[in-house]
Amino acid sequence: NAGVTQTPKFQVLKTGQSMTLQCAQDMNHNSMYWYRQDPGMGLRLIYYSASEGTTDKGEVPNGYNVSRLNKREFSLRLESAAPSQTSVYFCASRYSPDQPQHFGDGTRLSIL
Amino acid sequence: AQSVTQLGSHVSVSEGALVLLRCNYSSSVPPYLFWYVQYPNQGLQLLLKYTSAATLVKGINGFEAEFKKSETSFHLTKPSAHMSDAAEYFCAVTLASGSARQLTFGSGTQLTVLP
Repeated sequence: NAGVTQTPKFQVLKTGQSMTLQCAQDMNHNSMYWYRQDPGMGLRLIYYSASEGTTDKGEVPNGYNVSRLNKREFSLRLESAAPSQTSVYFCASRYSPDQPQHFGDGTRLSIL
Repeated sequence: AQSVTQLGSHVSVSEGALVLLRCNYSSSVPPYLFWYVQYPNQGLQLLLKYTSAATLVKGINGFEAEFKKSETSFHLTKPSAHMSDAAEYFCAVTLASGSARQLTFGSGTQLTVLP
């Protein structure tokens, strides 16, 4: 049982480049989430998808877009990367609000 | 709306000593509360959760937490620290009802265990 799988694990970009972070879960979870983690700030929600076919902004959505491709997959896109987007990005999923979220191992993204 | 405050960004204890990591929450409705642990270069793993059943919650690796409504607290404890407990710990809160039931995280507490 793989859980939540994120690709790639590491990426270095130049300012202005674009890229898509991939996330897939095999637990039949309804909701999926994208967070960024920065030192001393905990995890901040970028976007989430409460169910297949819906997406909503979180706390820090600017500069990002998402796609809930199907129930399993939820991707995060940076259209024009900026140094302020250097961070560790985590994808998570959960079955229902009273259940805990399950996390992937993260994507470490550096933007030069 | 909800928020979480973790008191102490860094906590050091000796091996075998009591671990106490503090978490206070603010919530407009009854909350669900979670503690997660993060080891270096890994994602977050669930330690334990409170979802309105017993107020004393036992989790993995010998950790437990007590929900105290009057103090709006959900502190994490472990009677005897082990070297393998060194990690970062996050408290998180979500609303038990309503439409906006996203998870809000505290800023984390880095636990160091001294030999």
